Amino acid sequence: DAKTTQPPSMDCAEGRAANLPCNHSTISGNEYVYWYRQIHSQGPQYIIHGLKNNETNEMASLIITEDRKSSTLILPHATLRDTAVYYCIVRVAETALIFGKGTTLSVSS
Amino acid sequence: NAGVTQTPKFQVLKTGQSMTLQCAQDMNHEYMSWYRQDPGMGLRLIHYSVGAGITDQGEVPNGYNVSRSTTEDFPLRLLSAAPSQTSVYFCASSSAGLGAYEQYFGPGTRLTVT
Repeated sequence: DAKTTQPPSMDCAEGRAANLPCNHSTISGNEYVYWYRQIHSQGPQYIIHGLKNNETNEMASLIITEDRKSSTLILPHATLRDTAVYYCIVRVAETALIFGKGTTLSVSS
Repeated sequence: NAGVTQTPKFQVLKTGQSMTLQCAQDMNHEYMSWYRQDPGMGLRLIHYSVGAGITDQGEVPNGYNVSRSTTEDFPLRLLSAAPSQTSVYFCASSSAGLGAYEQYFGPGTRLTVT
């Protein structure tokens, strides 16, 4: 099992913020939250990761609740190119990732 | 840098045939892994390696073998292909210094077993 729960799909208007939720109620104290996305059938692409604090990079922001049981990935100004499957991951097999089914984000004009 | 390369891009096999999917990276990454993705599903981990000569099983290892004789290469062997192995196969690598979080994925090999 993937240890995360994500909605199967979400819609967002171009130019608006996309907020993608993820529940990970069984996360351990030393487990990171990772976000990847997969555009069409390409290989997944790393977006961001975090442990306790909120994180921001050039692609997105990651908001982790204080109890660490859930998180939200924020794409501040979604574009059509952000249409993809977004994966929230907390399980790691040593150095590899355990994926769930992800959220399909559709950005429309 | 070419990053992570995979060959072939497409392959059709008959049931019972064997073949090797190639994966190479030129970033001197210690960690490499293989995933498969079935239609409409997320990726599932097949095998992974933390360095040359060291490999371990992932979630769905049955029917696959791997070896890691060099840092650069991590081939995946299908011993006796079955229709259930029809899938897209992705190889990934990451640096030990960065941990697992920033994995670099190849473009995938699309395999059909008839």
